Parts: sequence; C-alpha cells; structure tokens
Amino acid sequence: LAKTTQPISMDSYEGQEVNITCSHNNIATNDYITWYQQFPSQGPRFIIQGYKTKVTNEVASLFIPADRKSSTLSLPRVSLSDTAVYYCLVGKASYGGSQGNLIFGKGTKLSVKP
Amino acid sequence: NAGVTQTPKFQVLKTGQSMTLQCAQDMNHNSMYWYRQDPGMGLRLIYYSASEGTTDKGEVPNGYNVSRLNKREFSLRLESAAPSQTSVYFCASSDSGPGAPLHFGNGTRLTVT
Repeated sequence: LAKTTQPISMDSYEGQEVNITCSHNNIATNDYITWYQQFPSQGPRFIIQGYKTKVTNEVASLFIPADRKSSTLSLPRVSLSDTAVYYCLVGKASYGGSQGNLIFGKGTKLSVKP
Repeated sequence: NAGVTQTPKFQVLKTGQSMTLQCAQDMNHNSMYWYRQDPGMGLRLIYYSASEGTTDKGEVPNGYNVSRLNKREFSLRLESAAPSQTSVYFCASSDSGPGAPLHFGNGTRLTVT
C-alpha cells in the first residue's frame, strides 16, 4: 500500500494561493491520487483526482510530476471557508473492485486567516 | 437525493452494551465502507464491502461486525462496547470504477462510558 506524507498544518491568508504537497514514493503504476477535504463535524468530501500531469476543476488544481512520487494540491485565492483538513490518498484503479485499500493519513490542517 | 445517510447522529453507551450503526446510500454504489476517526487522527478503515454479499476486514476490525443487508445498506455492530471504541464513525460508498471517489455520510458520534 502506498503511504503518503504531507505537512501536519499550514497557515494562509484570505486571497492567497495555497499549495499542499504530498509525497508518495511507493506509488504503483495503476494508482490514482485523490484529495479530500474535511470540515469539522462532517465526512470528507472529494475534491480532485489525477493520474499524471495536471488536473483542474472548479475548486482546485492538482499537479503531478512525471515520476508521480509526489503531488501538489493548489487552492487559488483561498477564503475563510477553505479552513479544513485536506487528505491525500493513493489507491489502486481497479475495475469491479472497491477502494478498500485506501489509507487516510492525518491530513493537513489548513487555517485561513482574514 | 440524500447521498449517504447515517443513523443515529449521536449515541452514548455504557461499557458492555451493544448497538448497531446504520448506513444507507441512494447512489446505486456497489462498494460501502465503515471508518472510524479519533480526535486529531485520520480515518481508519474498519470493514468494507466491495459488493452486495461480500465483506472484508480493514485496518481495525477487532470488536466490530458488519452486515451488507442489500445494495443500499451496510450496518456496523458493536457487540460489547468498550471505551476504546469512543470515536466518530463514518460510512462511505463508492462506485466500482477505477479510482472511484468515496462519498461520505456525516458521521455518528459514539461515546462509551
């Protein structure tokens, strides 16, 4: 199982771009990289997923270098409401299977200040 | 479209009591999961069900049992609750496609005294 390492916490100010990097040195060929966001008293929520290069959606961008041993979640112009814990997960892409091999670490607690 | 619904939202048990946490999803997902989250920790997988009729142990299965009642419902049972099982329990579901994202409920906060 691919283990991930990410900073325990980060601070930012409103309007800034925030980049959270996750290391996953043992990523396997068919593993996807997925990021989740969790607010207090709520379940995690899917943000973005990628396999290689760059992925962008309405919420964030995900940058994955060619060796795929790390990935960076980029949140443009954060607001107070982006204060949350962000989890990086690496898991197998298997047709017909489940994601029972996914491991959530402690995540990165992002605090956005006014 | 409610997504993943968990009941109850809160529960207090005495040591040795039993209870069942209920989870239902309306997204026609094949796979369902139970996680626990302790203060300041990430989520740890207790059990999962890849499809109706199958269940498998996750990282921390001891003290728990599960039932995949049908495609929609996946329950978690504590036969004899212990204070170490005080936690927030999250149910999730996912499709079976490659890298299918997990959809979580809002959790059950359980306290065992």
